[in-house]
Amino acid sequence: DAGITQSPRHKVTETGTPVTLRCHQTENHRYMYWYRQDPGHGLRLIHYSYGVKDTDKGEVSDGYSVSRSKTEDFLLTLESATSSQTSVYFCAISAGTGSYEQYFGPGTRLTVT
Amino acid sequence: SQQGEEDPQALSIQEGENATMNCSYKTSINNLQWYRQNSGRGLVHLILIRSNEREKHSGRLRVTLDTSKKSSSLLITASRAADTASYFCATDGSSNTGKLIFGQGTTLQVKP
Repeated sequence: DAGITQSPRHKVTETGTPVTLRCHQTENHRYMYWYRQDPGHGLRLIHYSYGVKDTDKGEVSDGYSVSRSKTEDFLLTLESATSSQTSVYFCAISAGTGSYEQYFGPGTRLTVT
Repeated sequence: SQQGEEDPQALSIQEGENATMNCSYKTSINNLQWYRQNSGRGLVHLILIRSNEREKHSGRLRVTLDTSKKSSSLLITASRAADTASYFCATDGSSNTGKLIFGQGTTLQVKP
């Protein structure tokens, strides 16, 4: 298994509170991604990073911000959580060597009450 | 919007039968990938087929790609109960940004 961990694995939080999810990799891969997975919507890209301090928006970036201060860590922040952000969040990594095969973390189940 | 659309959304078969899933996409691509997701787990990369390839095999998996029809199929032969999972196709949209666009997946149930 690719060395990807996500923390926390489960979180329940209240509407309006800030939440930060962490993705940590030991593969030294250049690309990192944050997705959310919801029934009926499949997997949707929130933000991705193509290097340290280099990030870009995905399909559903509103309400989310990211930071990548070092190769191994990619943080996803919900500045003020809403119930619509209740979801399962997956981090993925890719070496980016032309084919962009992605390797996924175990996921974080976030519930916003 | 989703680049890939999978068909069928759900498939139930008996162990030993073959399972075929289809994926259609909208724009040109460099490659198309298939992933598997077991319940409650992250996605696992299965196979990649490049736009200049028509067929690729990996164990019991066979993937075909028809770029003229913008479609791909994943065949799992001699299915096993352990193949029960959701299967997703993903395309790169011919970009070199590292972004993939995933379809909504096909849920496969293999009955023992």
